[in-house]
Amino acid sequence: DNVLPQSPTTMAASPGEKVTITCHASSSGIYMNWHQQKSGTSPKLWIYDTSKLASGVPDRFSGSGSGTSYSLTINTMETEDAATYYCQQCCSTPLTFGSGTKLEIK
Amino acid sequence: QVQLQQSGAELVKPGSSVKISCKASGYTFTSYDMHWIKQQPGNGLEWIGWIYPGNGNTKYNQKFNGKATLTADKSSSTAYMQLSSLTSEDSAVYFCARWRMGMDYWGQGVMVTVSS
Repeated sequence: DNVLPQSPTTMAASPGEKVTITCHASSSGIYMNWHQQKSGTSPKLWIYDTSKLASGVPDRFSGSGSGTSYSLTINTMETEDAATYYCQQCCSTPLTFGSGTKLEIK
Repeated sequence: QVQLQQSGAELVKPGSSVKISCKASGYTFTSYDMHWIKQQPGNGLEWIGWIYPGNGNTKYNQKFNGKATLTADKSSSTAYMQLSSLTSEDSAVYFCARWRMGMDYWGQGVMVTVSS
């Protein structure tokens, strides 16, 4: 299986701060999706095909990466960005998710 | 607008089976894969498998072979997942999610609790 260690596990950022979450794949030849999940709700597709923003996602978010290393970046943290973010590799089966990064506001 | 409406919470006994549903609306049901994902309390996300409602083709995570069975009813635009031989390890929230350039729409989730 394509294991996806994600880091950090938890972090807190102040409004306006730049945030980067990383995800490492155990094998290459994939692209990465990212999902945002707030407590008690369903995950939402946030970034797909490694770098494309899903509909309605603010442009302060960006995704990048290739090979086995991928990242999600928030250019300037806002209160509403506090959530858990999961990376998810496509397309070697079984599809796998990262362990999640819980992002809190300071 | 695309919506995935899942069935209600289930309380089931160990050793039994449960079938949960995911009713799709707002798009052509038969044209997109439907994925199923498990989330245990306080834990991350685990992919169970997908079904293509157009022809019933399925693909499972080997871990869920024999545990989960995915089906789809084209006439009602509803996808189903049956879980069998339930144990406490199957207590979780189960989501359906449409795949189009990623899991772009998710159901609200069904909480399954396995308890005697």
